[in-house]
Amino acid sequence: DVKVTQSSRYLVKRTGEKVFLECVQDMDHENMFWYRQDPGLGLRLIYFSYDVKMKEKGDIPEGYSVSREKKERFSLILESASTNQTSMYLCASSFRRRVAGELFFGEGSRLTVL
Amino acid sequence: AQKITQTQPGMFVQEKEAVTLDCTYDTSDPSYGLFWYKQPSSGEMIFLIYQGSYDQQNATEGRYSLNFQKARKSANLVISASQLGDSAMYFCAMREGRNNQGGKLIFGQGTELSVKP
Repeated sequence: DVKVTQSSRYLVKRTGEKVFLECVQDMDHENMFWYRQDPGLGLRLIYFSYDVKMKEKGDIPEGYSVSREKKERFSLILESASTNQTSMYLCASSFRRRVAGELFFGEGSRLTVL
Repeated sequence: AQKITQTQPGMFVQEKEAVTLDCTYDTSDPSYGLFWYKQPSSGEMIFLIYQGSYDQQNATEGRYSLNFQKARKSANLVISASQLGDSAMYFCAMREGRNNQGGKLIFGQGTELSVKP
């Protein structure tokens, strides 16, 4: 089975702190994604990556950056956390050569910024 | 403009009955894919079913079927014989273009389904 592992299920940070959310997948997927989920808004794409060292902005990249130094790992960085970044963050990966290309998700990281 | 719209924030269904969750989409790309995901209260996103824009038949996976009406741009999920374990949030999603062109999904707002015993 595909496994997407997010480093922390729950985090509490203070305004202005730098926050790292780590995601690792074990199925050699080319594509990796970071979404945030908020009630009533569904999932919104922050950043995605097609390959190592490549990154593309999603719909809401402001206040975030990403890093993909290895194929299996995709990190989301909040340079200076703010209270409006309190949310559930979901990492996902997918296999580029599949026709459907369904995303496989991690369990999520619930971030609270005080 | 919203590309994926789920107009039912919440729905109730009696156990063992069928239920339809609505989803409409908007795209000008002739090649696209439509997905449904289930998110139980535990939080994990579970892939349920996929429909490609060129697929001639509606997709089915066990008790799940996707009612694909291309002209109306709708991709409703039908769950037959509802079970208590079907209570969850359901998300419709779309990928524009073929998977090897990117693969990112755009999600709807979600519909919370509650199955009554």
